[in-house]
Amino acid sequence: DMKVTQMPRYLIKRMGENVLLECGQDMSHETMYWYRQDPGLGLQLIYISYDVDSNSEGDIPKGYRVSRKKREHFSLILDSAKTNQTSVYFCVGGPYAEQFFGPGTRLTVL
Amino acid sequence: GDSVTQTEGLVTLTKGLPVMLNCTYQTTYSPFLFWYVQHLNEAPKLLLKSSTDNKRTEHQGFYATLHKSSSSFHLQKSSVQLSDSALYFCALTPNNNNAPRFGAGTKLSVKP
Repeated sequence: DMKVTQMPRYLIKRMGENVLLECGQDMSHETMYWYRQDPGLGLQLIYISYDVDSNSEGDIPKGYRVSRKKREHFSLILDSAKTNQTSVYFCVGGPYAEQFFGPGTRLTVL
Repeated sequence: GDSVTQTEGLVTLTKGLPVMLNCTYQTTYSPFLFWYVQHLNEAPKLLLKSSTDNKRTEHQGFYATLHKSSSSFHLQKSSVQLSDSALYFCALTPNNNNAPRFGAGTKLSVKP
C-alpha cells in the first residue's frame, strides 16, 4: 500500500498569514489530490496534480495554490489565510482502483 | 460532471438492527465505487470497493452491490454494533483519470 504523510498535523495561524501544508508519498505515484473536509460538505476537491509541474484546479481552488517539484512531494499553499479556510485538509493519492489518504492536517485560522 | 449523492446525513439505530446507507452516483465513465469509514479525528479508511456490476462485495460484516442500471452502491450490514458508529463516505473514481468524488457522508450512530 502507498503511504501518504502530511505535515504538520495541527496548525493555528492568524488571518493574513501564509500557510504551507506538506504531503509526501512513498510510491512515486503520478496523481495526487488535495481535499478539504467540512462538516456536512464531505470532501471538496481543491487541486489535482497529474505529475511534477502538472497541476489543475479542482472545484474550490480560490485562495489556494499548489507546488509539485518532485513526484513524492505535493504542497498546498495558502497565501494570506482567511478564517473560512479553517478546515481539515487531506492529501490523497493512488491509482484508479484505490486511493490512499494522508492522516490530515487540522488548520485553524484565527 | 461526476457526482455522488448520499441522502441521509444522520442515521441513528439500536445495536443489533440492520442498516442500509444509500449511495447513488452520476458518471458517464465506467466507475470504481468505494465506501470509506471515518472515525472521529482520523482519516477515512477504505471499507470496501467494487467495479463489477451486480456482484456483492463484503468486508468486516458490511456489504454492498454495485448496480450500474440504477447507479447505486448502497452499504448494508445485518446487525450493527456500537463500534460501527462513525462517518461513512461513498466515493466514485471514474476510469478517465478524473479525480475521486465523495458524497457528503452519512453519520451512523448506534445506541445500546
